[in-house]
Amino acid sequence: GDSVTQMEGPVTLSEEAFLTINCTYTATGYPSLFWYVQYPGEGLQLLLKATKADDKGSNKGFEATYRKETTSFHLEKGSVQVSDSAVYFCALRRSDSWGKLQFGAGTQVVVTP
Amino acid sequence: EAGVTQSPTHLIKTRGQQATLRCSPISGHTSVYWYQQALGLGLQFLLWYDEGEERNRGNFPPRFSGRQFPNYSSELNVNALELEDSALYLCASSLGQRATNEKLFFGSGTQLSVL
Repeated sequence: GDSVTQMEGPVTLSEEAFLTINCTYTATGYPSLFWYVQYPGEGLQLLLKATKADDKGSNKGFEATYRKETTSFHLEKGSVQVSDSAVYFCALRRSDSWGKLQFGAGTQVVVTP
Repeated sequence: EAGVTQSPTHLIKTRGQQATLRCSPISGHTSVYWYQQALGLGLQFLLWYDEGEERNRGNFPPRFSGRQFPNYSSELNVNALELEDSALYLCASSLGQRATNEKLFFGSGTQLSVL
């Protein structure tokens, strides 16, 4: 079946450091890929998405590129802020399964001043 | 504009009881999704309703059920509660399958504790 694997947290880093969260997936066909973020006390929010191979999603300084050859969608940010502290979820949606997102386990990121 | 609202925020039940969770989607959204976020298991897809009908269902037993009302709000019912049903239940809404934008908007969830 479909699955999403992301690196375990927590990831702790200092302000202005470079952030990478690895995400790999297993799915048939060509799924759409997403990163969602959950800030403390808030609901999940879509951070970025990519719908086909080599697409790059970007938002709020975060980027992720859909790599079909390595089945990966790693999230990166060049200079994190304390306000980026949150739990980040990688997810996929198959084209034949509208409405059903398959999420990874989530990675907690803690940014210290 | 109001976001996705869920009630109650917290719910405490005992084994064998029934729980009812409620969700109001964003105005104009016709699709409602339910997810379970259990400790250590991540987010698991439960149910998807669109235009009042169940469109997709995750790998959960039949005691997890729900419905969508004409105003597009939704209820999730969990019968014969078990300890492992303790989790955060998240509701999300979207414009529905006729829309090209599939973006989901999530509520803050209902924390269900089964004692």
